[in-house]
Amino acid sequence: DTEVTQTPKHLVMGMTNKKSLKCEQHMGHRAMYWYKQKAKKPPELMFVYSYEKLSINESVPSRFSPECPNSSLLNLHLHALQPEDSALYLCASSQEQGWYGYTFGSGTRLTVV
Amino acid sequence: KNEVEQSPQNLTAQEGEFITINCSYSVGISALHWLQQHPGGGIVSLFMLSSGKKKHGRLIATINIQEKHSSLHITASHPRDSAVYICAVSRDSNYQLIWGAGTKLIIKP
Repeated sequence: DTEVTQTPKHLVMGMTNKKSLKCEQHMGHRAMYWYKQKAKKPPELMFVYSYEKLSINESVPSRFSPECPNSSLLNLHLHALQPEDSALYLCASSQEQGWYGYTFGSGTRLTVV
Repeated sequence: KNEVEQSPQNLTAQEGEFITINCSYSVGISALHWLQQHPGGGIVSLFMLSSGKKKHGRLIATINIQEKHSSLHITASHPRDSAVYICAVSRDSNYQLIWGAGTKLIIKP
């Protein structure tokens, strides 16, 4: 298995909702990443997990809450989002943090209404 | 000035043409990445380079470390190659990818 799988592919949520994005990989990669991408912009790094521990939080608002239950799974819990949080959320993994090639998922298209 | 510059920003070509996308960077790097993103979709890693040249199918990537320059070539281009091609660099022991702005490629039948 050489893929990063993200679910759901599309999500529409209200500003008072709580939802979660899921990311899964079975390549034995020990680093996993969440990126946010707005239209026509490069991805912006949000969080990095290394060996299941939060390694980097790029000053992301607390309405985004990451979780790494095990080495294959990465979640992003969403609560009280704003319309400007609407974006493509991409998950990626790499063998080690910051090294080797990256494998990206196909993303979750999030719309906050 | 951005640390990673790509050119051109947009490129439209006819099917079958030879395509070149350029990337220049101004920082020391451990590797350079070429990635592909289809509209509304996820990102596919095409190449990771630290020196020389790599080839995969119709795609060729080269890097000149001394000149801090890389090129991505597509031979016998096809409409399915239409996508945004992104150059990104990683620095020594740094978790961050520094991204170029991307090149939007359209191949017309």
